[in-house]
Amino acid sequence: EAGVAQSPRYKIIEKRQSVAFWCNPISGHATLYWYQQILGQGPKLLIQFQNNGVVDDSQLPKDRFSAERLKGVDSTLKIQPAKLEDSAVYLCASSLEGGAGGGNQPQHFGDGTRLSIL
Amino acid sequence: KQEVTQIPAALSVPEGENLVLNCSFTDSAIYNLQWFRQDPGKGLTSLLLIQSSQREQTSGRLNASLDKSSGRSTLYIAASQPGDSATYLCAVTGNQFYFGTGTSLTVIP
Repeated sequence: EAGVAQSPRYKIIEKRQSVAFWCNPISGHATLYWYQQILGQGPKLLIQFQNNGVVDDSQLPKDRFSAERLKGVDSTLKIQPAKLEDSAVYLCASSLEGGAGGGNQPQHFGDGTRLSIL
Repeated sequence: KQEVTQIPAALSVPEGENLVLNCSFTDSAIYNLQWFRQDPGKGLTSLLLIQSSQREQTSGRLNASLDKSSGRSTLYIAASQPGDSATYLCAVTGNQFYFGTGTSLTVIP
């Protein structure tokens, strides 16, 4: 089974620039998650999709972050404009199902995109 | 707001030793608790998922327990190996999904 694919693996930008991350979940997984993991901390959920609808985006800084899931498969996460505090690893995960709160299926993670803001 | 704490933050043990990692959470209204492993520069690998109605799950040398009433979970690793060296994170699923900050484990050959 192919895992969750993310690209790029690394990205370096200057503050106030824009950046986008891409995620391809495991085939057949209805639920997709984006997390932000700051160095030394556990991941923080930014947004959860069920198919192509948003289940939870309560911790997404909507003034600068946006995400979409096209046709209920791939997803992109965008930051515009980036701030220094956005430096982190952005992780994508998927699961077979997951209602509010994540459901009862294990999540499968990609290797993440490491973002550095100069 | 749910708070998830993992103690200790770091742990070093000699190879072959049995060990216990701890996870505590403040809100017992959870659907499940999941233990993950994270290797440097990698994403997370799911190890065990315990439903709220269960008390433990086992996979190979790993055993995870859940005590909802006291807000605690433990991950027991038997006969530790150098390949077990990684950061171990627990995460609880309630109305939202919350991770702990992890325990960095080093198994010394």
